[in-house]
Amino acid sequence: DGGITQSPKYLFRKEGQNVTLSCEQNLNHDAMYWYRQDPGQGLRLIYYSQIVNDFQKGDIAEGYSVSREKKESFPLTVTSAQKNPTAFYLCASKQASNTYEQYFGPGTRLTVT
Amino acid sequence: AQSVTQPDIHITVSEGASLELRCNYSYGATPYLFWYVQSPGQGLQLLLKYFSGDTLVQGIKGFEAEFKRSQSSFNLRKPSVHWSDAAEYFCAVILTGGGNKLTFGTGTQLKVEL
Repeated sequence: DGGITQSPKYLFRKEGQNVTLSCEQNLNHDAMYWYRQDPGQGLRLIYYSQIVNDFQKGDIAEGYSVSREKKESFPLTVTSAQKNPTAFYLCASKQASNTYEQYFGPGTRLTVT
Repeated sequence: AQSVTQPDIHITVSEGASLELRCNYSYGATPYLFWYVQSPGQGLQLLLKYFSGDTLVQGIKGFEAEFKRSQSSFNLRKPSVHWSDAAEYFCAVILTGGGNKLTFGTGTQLKVEL
């Protein structure tokens, strides 16, 4: 079955450590997105990539980094510079520049203590 | 600034009752409109979308939504709610020509009483 995989489901880290969240899709979608979700704030865009080897900052990119070396993969690194990293992180993808529906993965809950 | 507003943070309805979740947007141009549903600890599932044409759109799970340009609204409705509809619902908008950026409302948490 085609879909978006995010791993792990739950992730725990100590403050000051970088951590990388995985996002893989086998939908052959061109664009991929990372969102952060906090209670009562909806989803906020961190980074997005419309093609391989290219990505753009979203609304809250500070303290995060990404790479897009393969079409199916878009890992997100939460660095120690991110002041409040504890959140639910959602990855999404969509087919091409002339389509608009984004499809979401199951999410990763990151807890930093 | 462009924004999407879901004025109701929490809504409680009885099973079998009708449901309407409100969504308003503030954009000058015609946006593309979406409703997503999220079960606890899960990703988002697309319920329905509006791009153009008939302003009443049908979605999955018996949901529908109506686009009203004069009111800048895209309210989600269901005639008879089931206990399994309890979830969080997000309205989202893409502004045409705006780089395909999806902007979300803050969500409405639906509780269904048996």
